[in-house]
Amino acid sequence: DTAVSQTPKYLVTQMGNDKSIKCEQNLGHDTMYWYKQDSKKFLKIMFSYNNKELIINETVPNRFSPKSPDKAHLNLHINSLELGDSAVYFCASSQNRVSDTQYFGPGTRLTVL
Amino acid sequence: AQKITQTQPGMFVQEKEAVTLDCTYDTSDPSYGLFWYKQPSSGEMIFLIYQGSYDQQNATEGRYSLNFQKARKSANLVISASQLGDSAMYFCAMREGRGGGYNKLIFGAGTRLAVHP
Repeated sequence: DTAVSQTPKYLVTQMGNDKSIKCEQNLGHDTMYWYKQDSKKFLKIMFSYNNKELIINETVPNRFSPKSPDKAHLNLHINSLELGDSAVYFCASSQNRVSDTQYFGPGTRLTVL
Repeated sequence: AQKITQTQPGMFVQEKEAVTLDCTYDTSDPSYGLFWYKQPSSGEMIFLIYQGSYDQQNATEGRYSLNFQKARKSANLVISASQLGDSAMYFCAMREGRGGGYNKLIFGAGTRLAVHP
C-alpha cells in the first residue's frame, strides 16, 4: 500500500498552460505539505495544510493554488505556467508533533517548455 | 542566515567503510527535531533517522546513527559498513517547535555520497 501517492509522476507542458498535481495519503495524518525541489536539488516548503486549513504559504506566487478537499488529499493547481516553475514537486504528510516524521510522495517532475 | 548547513557537496567512501556526513543547524527554539533523508537517483525521499532536541541518547537505526552534539549544534549522520546502494543524495532537515502544521521541514543543500567498490 502506497502511503503518500502523487499523480502524475511526470508532467510536460507549454508555458502559459494550467496544470494540476494530485496528492493522497492513507496514513491518517492531519497535516499535508507541498515542497519544491529545484534544479540544484534544494528543497523548500511551499504550503502546509492542517485539517484542511491552510497554515503555511511560503511567499509562493498566487499562480499556485493548493486545495484540500479533505484531510487525505492535497492538490496543487498552477496557472499560467512559467519556465521557472520547472522543478520536482513533492507532497508530504505527517502528524503535528516536532518528533513526527514527514513522509514524502514519489514526486512530480514538472517540465515547462 | 542558513538554518541548516551541509558543508560537503560530495563525499565518497569505499564499500564496507564508515562515512560521516556533516550537518550543523541554527535555531533559538528549545524544542526541535532533526531528520535525515536519503534521495537515490530514482528521486524518492526516504526517511532515515530522527533526533529530538531533548533526547539524551544519540539516535540509531540499523547502520545509521546520528552523532548529536547539541552545544555545537551539529547532527552528523554516520553510515557504517557502506554498501553500493547507499550511493545517493543525503539531506539533513530541521523541524522547529510549533505544532499544528507550522512545523515545516527546513532542508540543507544536501551531500551527494558515492560508494566505491
